[in-house]
Amino acid sequence: DTGVSQDPRHKITKRGQNVTFRCDPISEHNRLYWYRQTLGQGPEFLTYFQNEAQLEKSRLLSDRFSAERPKGSFSTLEIQRTEQGDSAMYLCASSLVGAGTTDTQYFGPGTRLTVL
Amino acid sequence: TQLLEQSPQFLSIQEGENLTVYCNSSSVFSSLQWYRQEPGEGPVLLVTVVTGGEVKKLKRLTFQFGDARKDSSLHITAAQPGDTGLYLCCTNDYKLSFGAGTTVTVRA
Repeated sequence: DTGVSQDPRHKITKRGQNVTFRCDPISEHNRLYWYRQTLGQGPEFLTYFQNEAQLEKSRLLSDRFSAERPKGSFSTLEIQRTEQGDSAMYLCASSLVGAGTTDTQYFGPGTRLTVL
Repeated sequence: TQLLEQSPQFLSIQEGENLTVYCNSSSVFSSLQWYRQEPGEGPVLLVTVVTGGEVKKLKRLTFQFGDARKDSSLHITAAQPGDTGLYLCCTNDYKLSFGAGTTVTVRA
């Protein structure tokens, strides 16, 4: 098992452009989470999926943000019309929830977004 | 307003010294977790504390959960440069709520 992977690791874009990030969770993990982390802060919850269902979205997730997990495996996070305030590290985590499990979240290395 | 307040914000010490970082709240939690995050990487879980007054040891790291389950501390004995990182406490819920973290730098 190679752990949670994220792509790209770094993205620089101009204000107003759209960007999409991908997260590949640990195989067989049924939950997938997205967090955002700005400099000097801890990660903040954005949204999570159980299998392919998006179960909760934070108020931080404006209508410019959309996340999908179409087949219950990898997930994408898209930001439309990026703004400078979107500059942050976007972290993905996955966990296995079920009988006999502890829902421990394993984080990927993150995608660092810089909006110029 | 952060649910969890961490202190100090920054800590720089010499190799071999001891250090303690704190995680405080006015709320009561069923459990808390500690993560360590290295620059350019995601957080890695160190420990989950569950019982009030609980002490857990992980090599040179000692974690304590307050009796009232409102606070926690992390003590590192004889710190090494490899201990450098951002130490984060968080609630142990399905959506983790993190403090702002303590940035620890251990100088060789």
